[in-house]
Amino acid sequence: DQQVKQNSPSLSVQEGRISILNCDYTNSMFDYFLWYKKYPAEGPTFLISISSIKDKNEDGRFTVFLNKSAKHLSLHIVPSQPGDSAVYFCAASPGGGADGLTFGKGTHLIIQP
Amino acid sequence: DAGVIQSPRHEVTEMGQEVTLRCKPISGHNSLFWYRQTMMRGLELLIYFNNNVPIDDSGMPEDRFSAKMPNASFSTLKIQPSEPRDSAVYFCASGNKAKQFFGPGTRLTVL
Repeated sequence: DQQVKQNSPSLSVQEGRISILNCDYTNSMFDYFLWYKKYPAEGPTFLISISSIKDKNEDGRFTVFLNKSAKHLSLHIVPSQPGDSAVYFCAASPGGGADGLTFGKGTHLIIQP
Repeated sequence: DAGVIQSPRHEVTEMGQEVTLRCKPISGHNSLFWYRQTMMRGLELLIYFNNNVPIDDSGMPEDRFSAKMPNASFSTLKIQPSEPRDSAVYFCASGNKAKQFFGPGTRLTVL
């Protein structure tokens, strides 16, 4: 049973526009949510995280929004740049003192020139 | 600053052989994680350590898999004997629940 879901396998966005990546979860005990970017043959690169007690966190071009009632989070990238083309993973930490992450299957973001 | 270091980057072995993957976490990080990525299952947690002590090994698939962390700067993941279905990319990460930093991974191929 998938506890973290990224329902869009791929997303194409024009350079300079906003990219919005979505993630849904089922476990209400998750207490941290993280976003990673991954290029082929490299490890995931940490982008941004958000605590479950907040609804927004911003870092440069990246903003994460959390809607706990809907069990939904999204990553906004503004403006999108060619180097943003990669696979993006949503991950969640289970809380209760456990720190291991549960990952979604990823969304392949393609930035069109 | 050096990130998480993993070795080897690639490993090709034959079924039945022992495989040892190595990881050096970022200095000062108290928690170390081992993940595996496959096409079928995506990225999944195998085991994690806190202050060198295994905390959660529920993701370790079978008794053929074992992990150790003898000190704060080194961990190993061993597969003995290896099987073709163990072929995957194995990642080590260090950090905490709000921020984990991943190594480049070890691509394991078991023939």
